Amino acid sequence: GDSVTQMEGPVTLSEEAFLTINCTYTATGYPSLFWYVQYPGEGLQLLLKATKADDKGSNKGFEATYRKETTSFHLEKGSVQVSDSAVYFCALFSTGGFKTIFGAGTRLFVKA
Amino acid sequence: IAGITQAPTSQILAAGRRMTLRCTQDMRHNAMYWYRQDLGLGLRLIHYSNTAGTTGKGEVPDGYSVSRANTDDFPLTLASAVPSQTSVYFCASRQGDTQYFGPGTRLTVL
Repeated sequence: GDSVTQMEGPVTLSEEAFLTINCTYTATGYPSLFWYVQYPGEGLQLLLKATKADDKGSNKGFEATYRKETTSFHLEKGSVQVSDSAVYFCALFSTGGFKTIFGAGTRLFVKA
Repeated sequence: IAGITQAPTSQILAAGRRMTLRCTQDMRHNAMYWYRQDLGLGLRLIHYSNTAGTTGKGEVPDGYSVSRANTDDFPLTLASAVPSQTSVYFCASRQGDTQYFGPGTRLTVL
């Protein structure tokens, strides 16, 4: 079945450091890929998405590129801020089953 | 602001009691979901509804029931709460391939 694997956390960085959170997926067909973010005490919200191979999703300085050849959708940000501290979830939407599959989540702490 | 509302925000409940968590959306999305989140990380799907009048079981449905009488409301009921149901519960809806989440209900069963 479809699945999403993302790097375990927590990830701790200093402010202005470069961030990468790895995400790989297994899916049949051509899923849409997502990063959702959960700030403390809140529900998940969409951060960015990409719907086909080689598409790049971007938002708030975060980027991720849909790599079909490596089945990956790694999240990157060039310079993190304390306000980026949150839990990040990689996910895919399977058009075949109309299901969203979430990764386990990666907690990010950014120190001032 | 359009979105999903959940009530209550938090609740402490004695074991064995019945509890209904409420979820309402005003976006007219057909698909809705209930998840639980333990230890602040992974989400597990409890139940879902693809459209009003239909429901389905997720990966952890035992001890929970849902109904979908109309498009806007999707309540989750714990018939007889147990301590292992202590968790944060999120309701979500879906438009196309994107999910939209409510703010969550923090439930503690003692």
